[in-house]
Amino acid sequence: AQSVAQPEDQVNVAEGNPLTVKCTYSVSGNPYLFWYVQYPNRGLQFLLKYITGDNLVKGSYGFEAEFNKSQTSFHLKKPSALVSDSALYFCAVRDREGYSTLTFGKGTMLLVSP
Amino acid sequence: NAGVTQTPKFQVLKTGQSMTLQCAQDMNHNSMYWYRQDPGMGLRLIYYSASEGTTDKGEVPNGYNVSRLNKREFSLRLESAAPSQTSVYFCASSRTPSTGPLGELFFGEGSRLTVL
Repeated sequence: AQSVAQPEDQVNVAEGNPLTVKCTYSVSGNPYLFWYVQYPNRGLQFLLKYITGDNLVKGSYGFEAEFNKSQTSFHLKKPSALVSDSALYFCAVRDREGYSTLTFGKGTMLLVSP
Repeated sequence: NAGVTQTPKFQVLKTGQSMTLQCAQDMNHNSMYWYRQDPGMGLRLIYYSASEGTTDKGEVPNGYNVSRLNKREFSLRLESAAPSQTSVYFCASSRTPSTGPLGELFFGEGSRLTVL
């Protein structure tokens, strides 16, 4: 079975400060990892993914995520937060081996204050 | 660029009524999915269709049926709605089945369903 944990329901950060949204995962084999963002009353939008190779993945809107196999983590980061980054963020995982669909975490609300 | 289109956007039902949520994608994707989103529970997969002609159960299929009408369209039916099915429903599609690394999902805007 595969699962994702997002330990924080909400993250608060001031505009201009760095932000981190945490994600840990569990799969039986090796993972494909994804981050999605959801703005109010909208569907989810793909931000970035880790497939293989460099552990630091760069995505849309200046976001990046670091894959850490030993800690089974895939934290989302941005060096300087914007008020417009305020949204609900979802981490998702899929096992590389065999056939499986994407499993989402429960989501973390990011609030960036001016 | 329409992407994934869901209808209706809002619906109120009484317990026991039936309804169908429609979903269409214009990206020539092979795989389509129905998720429900509930507060504090994230997204849970109801049913999916890896390719035209196939459908499979996800995590929470009870009370739902699906039809992959053609490559573009994937509908979700509630035969006898219950208050526990009050939720926001999202349709999604992906280019490849979930076996590959390229299967990032493209989501519709959601359908908000209330069952009284």
